Amino acid sequence: QKEVEQNSGPLSVPEGAIASLNCTYSDRGSQSFFWYRQYSGKSPELIMSIYSNGDKEDGRFTAQLNKASQYVSLLIRDSQPSDSATYLCAVNSGGYQKVTFGTGTKLQVIP
Amino acid sequence: DVKVTQSSRYLVKRTGEKVFLECVQDMDHENMFWYRQDPGLGLRLIYFSYDVKMKEKGDIPEGYSVSREKKERFSLILESASTNQTSMYLCASSATNEKLFFGSGTQLSVL
Repeated sequence: QKEVEQNSGPLSVPEGAIASLNCTYSDRGSQSFFWYRQYSGKSPELIMSIYSNGDKEDGRFTAQLNKASQYVSLLIRDSQPSDSATYLCAVNSGGYQKVTFGTGTKLQVIP
Repeated sequence: DVKVTQSSRYLVKRTGEKVFLECVQDMDHENMFWYRQDPGLGLRLIYFSYDVKMKEKGDIPEGYSVSREKKERFSLILESASTNQTSMYLCASSATNEKLFFGSGTQLSVL
C-alpha cells in the first residue's frame, strides 16, 4: 500500500508567523506532488504542485521537495487567520491517474 | 468558471437501498474520480475513469460500481447500501493528473 503520511495536528501558529507543514511518502517512484487546502465543510482546492527537487514559491507559499528523503513540505509565510484550514498532501505514484492523499494537517492561525 | 456539480449535498438512505450519486463537469475533462472522505482516514479513491465507458478500480472499490456513459457525467452506485458506507463522497475531474477539480461533496448517511 503506497502511503502518504502527515501529522494530523492541529498546528497552531500566531498571525504573521511561518507555518511549516510536512509530508512523507513511501513510493520512491512518485513523480508529482501536490498541496490542497480544505476549509471546514468545503472541498479541497489545489494551492501548489511540485515535480523536481528544491523549492517552488508562489506568493506566501513555498513547496519544498526532497526525493532522496521522500519528503515534501509547505511553508506559509506571514500566516493569516484566513489560512486556517486542513492542508492535504497528495502524491502521484506513477500509476495512471492514481493520486494518493494524506490524511491532512489542520492549521490554526491565532490572531 | 470551472464547475463540478454533485446532484445532492445531503442524502439519507436505508440499508439495502440502491443509491446513485451523480456528478457532472462542464470542463470537457477526460478524467473523473470518486473519493470518499472519512475523519482520520482522509481521501480514499473508490473508482476513476479516463474515458467514456472506461473505468478503473481505486483503492476501495468494494461495494461500489460506476458508470460513465457520457464524457461529462460520472455516476457512483451503491448496489446495496450499508452503514459503513456513511461518508462524504467527493467527485473530481481533471484534464491531466496535475490538478483535480472537486465538486462540493455529498454527505451520505445510511441508516
